[in-house]
Amino acid sequence: KNEVEQSPQNLTAQEGEFITINCSYSVGISALHWLQQHPGGGIVSLFMLSSGKKKHGRLIATINIQEKHSSLHITASHPRDSAVYICAVRPVYGNKLVFGAGTILRVKS
Amino acid sequence: DVKVTQSSRYLVKRTGEKVFLECVQDMDHENMFWYRQDPGLGLRLIYFSYDVKMKEKGDIPEGYSVSREKKERFSLILESASTNQTSMYLCASSLDRNPYEQYFGPGTRLTVT
Repeated sequence: KNEVEQSPQNLTAQEGEFITINCSYSVGISALHWLQQHPGGGIVSLFMLSSGKKKHGRLIATINIQEKHSSLHITASHPRDSAVYICAVRPVYGNKLVFGAGTILRVKS
Repeated sequence: DVKVTQSSRYLVKRTGEKVFLECVQDMDHENMFWYRQDPGLGLRLIYFSYDVKMKEKGDIPEGYSVSREKKERFSLILESASTNQTSMYLCASSLDRNPYEQYFGPGTRLTVT
């Protein structure tokens, strides 16, 4: 079992829909990152969370440390949001990020 | 803006060839990383380096080596490429004071035939 599990693996949505991507992890962490990877492109950081909630434009990220769970929400989705969304955690013990397998999102117009 | 560049976006090599993947960053970052990305598995760390001429094995170093002769450049070497090394390879860099804020290159999609 991976230490970081994302769901769903694939997601297709219509433009305008509200989207949720989930991340569950099994180790104690000091922080969690949400990353975005566009087709053919590199990876960019969206959020770093250690508690609560963060918002940037139409993106909202939440984390529940007790439940070892985080969600990434996209409001009013747009085709340009189509990308792979990756969850990564910083274990309390260790010096490396641990990555989830990613969620492939496709938003249709 | 931090820029991390990789020498090739696409590469096709034959089994048994020696393959060099180059990564250069322009922001004087101390740490550099090589990952491979495979469907369903996510990013896995191959090697990282926290200083010139220093290197540490990641989770899957077998079949790979690295070289860091200059601070800005980190090379990944496949000594004898095999088909199971067909993958997307991503380089990243970060500052010592914030090692987990990693900046990624565009990736090299390597196919070994």
